[in-house]
Amino acid sequence: SQQGEEDPQALSIQEGENATMNCSYKTSINNLQWYRQNSGRGLVHLILIRSNEREKHSGRLRVTLDTSKKSSSLLITASRAADTASYFCATVDSSYKLIFGSGTRLLVRP
Amino acid sequence: GAGVSQTPSNKVTEKGKYVELRCDPISGHTALYWYRQSLGQGPEFLIYFQGTGAADDSGLPNDRFFAVRPEGSVSTLKIQRTERGDSAVYLCASSLNTQETQYFGPGTRLLVL
Repeated sequence: SQQGEEDPQALSIQEGENATMNCSYKTSINNLQWYRQNSGRGLVHLILIRSNEREKHSGRLRVTLDTSKKSSSLLITASRAADTASYFCATVDSSYKLIFGSGTRLLVRP
Repeated sequence: GAGVSQTPSNKVTEKGKYVELRCDPISGHTALYWYRQSLGQGPEFLIYFQGTGAADDSGLPNDRFFAVRPEGSVSTLKIQRTERGDSAVYLCASSLNTQETQYFGPGTRLLVL
């Protein structure tokens, strides 16, 4: 079963614009991770945010976490055509399993 | 260093056949995970190994699925009597420990005809 829901399911933006994706989850977590996937193959880890953190940055990526609302957001600034991919959030609770959402398909138009 | 590798990249088989999917984790990673991803969905957990033992196989859909990791490194996911519903991308991941980043391989796309 899947834990999280990403919103929106699909997003189309112009190159240079910012892209924001949201993730909601249901249970208590230890950390939340964002992954990127091209063409339905391997997942590339983008960023990990722990439950005691509220915001994290990595290059053009900014992730926020609100444990009271059980939600997270991923912001990609100054998007590029190469950012076109599916983006997944995944939560880790006291176990070790990554519980994935259903993903957001991002299209960045040149 | 080298990442997680999986072989084969693609596997086409006929209903009822037996298949093996291989995963080579990152060197030194004691934790290894298998996930399955159906089209348009996020990956779903199948099984987790800590060292040589399967610490949690609760995600395996039925007893046709089995996985081993005899020497604590390479793992093989085995599917007996394949069914068309087994068609999916099978992803392997490894991590240093269970609370750290899981690094994924490129996956094996299995198609059961």
